[in-house]
Amino acid sequence: GQQVMQIPQYQHVQEGEDFTTYCNSSTTLSNIQWYKQRPGGHPVFLIQLVKSGEVKKQKRLTFQFGEAKKNSSLHITATQTTDVGTYFCAGMGSGYALNFGKGTSLLVTP
Amino acid sequence: DGGITQSPKYLFRKEGQNVTLSCEQNLNHDAMYWYRQDPGQGLRLIYYSQIVNDFQKGDIAEGYSVSREKKESFPLTVTSAQKNPTAFYLCASSILPLPSYQPQHFGDGTRLSIL
Repeated sequence: GQQVMQIPQYQHVQEGEDFTTYCNSSTTLSNIQWYKQRPGGHPVFLIQLVKSGEVKKQKRLTFQFGEAKKNSSLHITATQTTDVGTYFCAGMGSGYALNFGKGTSLLVTP
Repeated sequence: DGGITQSPKYLFRKEGQNVTLSCEQNLNHDAMYWYRQDPGQGLRLIYYSQIVNDFQKGDIAEGYSVSREKKESFPLTVTSAQKNPTAFYLCASSILPLPSYQPQHFGDGTRLSIL
């Protein structure tokens, strides 16, 4: 499957600051999905990007898919304490299964 | 409400013992998956299944076994051959990833520990 690398591994911000996590692949991704896992919870699907250069927004969250379809990013504007959790990107893995990155854990201090 | 139910929430295993983790879904999804999550790690794929009576190994299948006798159920057995079974196990399902990948819906997970 296609390996996806995520950076940073951890990010600690003050409430109101912005946050960005990056996902990179050495090969072209057919598509990419993003999930959020709250502490003690399970991953929840956020969005899927398919087209080269695609940009999608969900309120304060902006998702981008690179022109070469080898990278993606998630940007959160003006973080809130409710944004705390681990954000995962996922690309095509074995067969039709997904291959998840290791995630970026976001901590937001009030 | 439709969803995925994993049980038990916590499970303890003795050395040399096999244990089975339950996963049931009522979403009418064809595809089901098992992942293992370790602290600071992403989700690693153990097994996945597209249809009843068919399943494929994922990246870390050694020491695990599964069955898919019913569309709704995809139990995972952690065998004694799995030497480091302590982890958080997540079951997921999706509609078939055709023609493109589909969102996966996850259960609440089972936390397995060694006694």
